[in-house]
Amino acid sequence: EAQVTQNPRYLITVTGKKLTVTCSQNMNHEYMSWYRQDPGLGLRQIYYSMNVEVTDKGDVPEGYKVSRKEKRNFPLILESPSPNQTSLYFCATRISLAGGPYNEQFFGPGTRLTVL
Amino acid sequence: SQQGEEDPQALSIQEGENATMNCSYKTSINNLQWYRQNSGRGLVHLILIRSNEREKHSGRLRVTLDTSKKSSSLLITASRAADTASYFCATAGTASKLTFGTGTRLQVTL
Repeated sequence: EAQVTQNPRYLITVTGKKLTVTCSQNMNHEYMSWYRQDPGLGLRQIYYSMNVEVTDKGDVPEGYKVSRKEKRNFPLILESPSPNQTSLYFCATRISLAGGPYNEQFFGPGTRLTVL
Repeated sequence: SQQGEEDPQALSIQEGENATMNCSYKTSINNLQWYRQNSGRGLVHLILIRSNEREKHSGRLRVTLDTSKKSSSLLITASRAADTASYFCATAGTASKLTFGTGTRLQVTL
């Protein structure tokens, strides 16, 4: 079954304690992305990756890091979480076609993060 | 920054009625997509309409696109309680990303 998985699904942590949210996909998609969703603000892109070892900033990258060492995984790292990073996080993937990458995205189930 | 703005923010209808949601955007696009999100869950792709298309159907969904007005609408016909969800439009322009609006919350009551 084609899917995007995220772990953990729920996390409560304290300010400054480094954490990693994992994202894994089994669809062999080149493009992967992280979003955060906050009430009244919709989804905002944090980082994206067009392929292995290629990452770029989205709209709200401050306070986050990512890596793309292999095609299937795209972890989101919060080196020193702060309360304003309390949010619902989504990983998404899509095929990245040469000359026309604007196709549908497949989303993971979400990770609800609370930073105290 | 938000590209798509949905209207209304919230919509409540009875089962069997049609639901219409609108999306307006600001800059030129390659395509526009609609997604559904059940409470607290991941988004699910519903339909994609390209900039050179004016109307598209998928089951009970009908999407229109008016590039001159920079707007799109999503019509759900004969709504069901299971259609209760938030609906987002997302625009794809020249950059390698989708830009999402803030969504319309649809409540379908029995």
